[in-house]
This record gives sequence, C-alpha cells and structure tokens, in this order.
Amino acid sequence: AAGVIQSPRHLIKEKRETATLKCYPIPRHDTVYWYQQGPGQDPQFLISFYEKMQSDKGSIPDRFSAQQFSDYHSELNMSSLELGDSALYFCASSLGQVLYEQYFGPGTRLTVT
Amino acid sequence: KQEVTQIPAALSVPEGENLVLNCSFTDSAIYNLQWFRQDPGKGLTSLLLIQSSQREQTSGRLNASLDKSSGRSTLYIAASQPGDSATYLCAVNGETSGSRLTFGEGTQLTVNP
Repeated sequence: AAGVIQSPRHLIKEKRETATLKCYPIPRHDTVYWYQQGPGQDPQFLISFYEKMQSDKGSIPDRFSAQQFSDYHSELNMSSLELGDSALYFCASSLGQVLYEQYFGPGTRLTVT
Repeated sequence: KQEVTQIPAALSVPEGENLVLNCSFTDSAIYNLQWFRQDPGKGLTSLLLIQSSQREQTSGRLNASLDKSSGRSTLYIAASQPGDSATYLCAVNGETSGSRLTFGEGTQLTVNP
C-alpha cells in the first residue's frame, strides 16, 4: 500500500540558510499535518492543512511557513535556520479530519550546523 | 491544555512475556487515541486507533483499551518478541485541539532473547 512520502530524507544546512521539506500524502488523503521531533523528545505539532486550507496551527516559529498545493502535496519552508531547528520533521496524512487515523511518513532529518 | 503521560519510561522484559504499557491524559474530551511504534531514528508506525466510543481494539498480538472517563489507555502486548523492541508512543486527538495529536514521551521497550 502507498505510504506518505517525504523528501529529502536527510538535509544538512548552515545557520541562517533556508530549507524546504516536501510531503506527498497517501492518495485520496486530503489532510496533511507537520510535526517536529527534537532529539529525545516526543513529536510536537506544527501545522495542518485540510483541502488546501490551513486548518490548525501549533508551535510553529514565524520563520517557518507551509502550504498545501492543488495536488495535495505540502511543503514546509524554513528560513533563517537556527541550531535548535535540528530535528526530525514528520509529515502525516489522513482521509479527512478529526476522527481519522493519521499515517506518518519516514521523516526528514534536518541538521543545522 | 492536554497533557499525556506514559508509564513506565523504559521497560526490559524476557522474550515470551506478556506486558502492559500505560498512557494517561488529563482532558477526557477526546475524539480518539492512537498507539504508535518508533524504531530509533525512524518514522512512526501506527499500531492501533481507538475511537472515544470504543473500549478496545485488537490487532494480532496487540490489544489497546480505552477508559475515556478516567483518562487512561493501555497497550497490551502478548508473547513479546525481540522484534517488538522499540519506543511505543500514545497520542491523543482532543476535542479542543483541532485534529492535532498530542503525544506522550513514550515507553522504550527492550525484549531480551
């Protein structure tokens, strides 16, 4: 069965640089979520989209922005990167909101040096 | 604000043992609860989704129960195997938090051959 695809899988950036993470949800899934997992921590919700509109926003820094495109894929743009942004970034998708199971991608490991 | 706690933080058992992982949450107004498995540095694999109206869900050797009113869920693993070694996370989808998941810090399970 098709799963959530994330690219790239690994990314190394320097401080103050910009990074773009991409997420391709499971076919027919209309909701995308982004989570950040720091070293030794549990995943923290960043932002979500339903039918290409932002549906919820968590503890996402102002330096980060995201959107969902017409083909339902999503991109997380991160600017002015800081050392503390080093983390595993997960995208999840679901068939609808609230009551539906969220399926997670393999994650993008971002290292900021 | 929803808070999710998992006990114990770590558990080491011999192969073949049955075990129980515990998850508690502070706000009982939830839509559902998901149990995940995470291998080191890897993505989140959804194990079971239990809706607020359900008491339990089963998949193979796994059984999850939910007591919404008391804010508790348990994950029962029967006849544990070394391949079950991983971190197990529970995540709550609260009625007042949109469709975002709030995670516990996980239980790190080691099954010794």
